[in-house]
Amino acid sequence: EVQLLESGGGLVQPGGSLRLSCAASGFTFSSYAMSWVRQAPGKGLEWVSGISGSGGSPYHADSVKGRFTISRDDSKNTVYLQMNSLRAEDTAVYYCAKDLGIALAGTFEHWGQGTLVTVSS
Amino acid sequence: DIQMTQSPSSLSASVGDRVTITCRASQSISNYLNWYQRKPEKAPKLLIYAASSLQSGVPSRFSGSGSGTDFTLTISSLQPEDFATYYCQQSYGTPLTFGGGTKVEIK
Repeated sequence: EVQLLESGGGLVQPGGSLRLSCAASGFTFSSYAMSWVRQAPGKGLEWVSGISGSGGSPYHADSVKGRFTISRDDSKNTVYLQMNSLRAEDTAVYYCAKDLGIALAGTFEHWGQGTLVTVSS
Repeated sequence: DIQMTQSPSSLSASVGDRVTITCRASQSISNYLNWYQRKPEKAPKLLIYAASSLQSGVPSRFSGSGSGTDFTLTISSLQPEDFATYYCQQSYGTPLTFGGGTKVEIK
């Protein structure tokens, strides 16, 4: 059974940093692209970042480019999202999502339960 | 960026009704279109991928159609467990983008 478990969310001040983790199990992690998708309170879904399998190319939405970095450690079956220079508008539930294959196809067949990030002073 | 526009933003329907949700892309995306269901406090669930392919385990009352810029999600006979918010999403290219969502409520 595929499981994705996010952690690392919490309350952080504007300008601060946070690192989210997503521990995966139940599939060959290195063979799948992974993404982070967020949902701000009362808003819709927003794709944030994605990375192809086997440590491939990372991609970021313009809203986070230069501030967020996605990475993965295939030896630990974990994908990370390093978030710097956080803003109030980054407040959201962040979901980890598994893609259909090794390339970033952008079709998310499995999702984690999410971790809440609150940016506030 | 490719903009995805869903309509309606909300609708009220009864159990057994046929429900149709539309999604329009700001440019042609071929069939690179996915549909997700989102219930409160639950992770999104993939229903349809590649515009019309039913994800494994999803009931056959859900169907998708369309190509290019115009797409449709249809629920042939609405069931109590289908009351949720539905999102379309283009997978044609990055940045990947979602529609604003359609909330399906009980009439």
